[in-house]
Amino acid sequence: GAGVSQTPSNKVTEKGKYVELRCDPISGHTALYWYRQSLGQGPEFLIYFQGTGAADDSGLPNDRFFAVRPEGSVSTLKIQRTERGDSAVYLCASARGPSGNTIYFGEGSWLTVV
Amino acid sequence: GESVGLHLPTLSVQEGDNSIINCAYSNSASDYFIWYKQESGKGPQFIIDIRSNMDKRQGQRVTVLLNKTVKHLSLQIAATQPGDSAVYFCAESESGGSYIPTFGRGTSLIVHP
Repeated sequence: GAGVSQTPSNKVTEKGKYVELRCDPISGHTALYWYRQSLGQGPEFLIYFQGTGAADDSGLPNDRFFAVRPEGSVSTLKIQRTERGDSAVYLCASARGPSGNTIYFGEGSWLTVV
Repeated sequence: GESVGLHLPTLSVQEGDNSIINCAYSNSASDYFIWYKQESGKGPQFIIDIRSNMDKRQGQRVTVLLNKTVKHLSLQIAATQPGDSAVYFCAESESGGSYIPTFGRGTSLIVHP
């Protein structure tokens, strides 16, 4: 598709389980961002990739969160030992490059931990 | 830490009125600002951006004003329509920070027909 694609759109998981959230950026976009958004709040930065490498992972809340982008395109956000507090919308975004280009967001993956 | 915030969490207007959404930022190093619109259940959608070397930028029915002296940003929407109802976020970023946007809390715009 033409936009940023995220799957699944909705995920319900039990506390303690492992989840993976996938992001397909816009073709040709080298910059990729993951954000987390709780109800009534603005998106909160998690991690930024430029190409295959994580250029900035300062937003990851703890070591249960990890993200990869092995071929510089698709990215996967991985959450281990999920907690109820992880429930949120996880947003992925991409941009043509790192230099202040327009950032386009996907529709998000709504994660509910029960 | 430094943050971006909004003055009004909710703004209600009548269809056809002009809307003004305000935003304050505190990071003096920020040099690139973006306004996003987010409808319920969707991701943020880019509206307009402005760099710190400009004071004003206009798009279709929207204008962004930047006052670096008081670290204030505003989004003006002309002839507001019901389809403009959404949450609006300002985001700030800096070239020294890889242009990673930092978002404020958002303002909910409600347009009454």
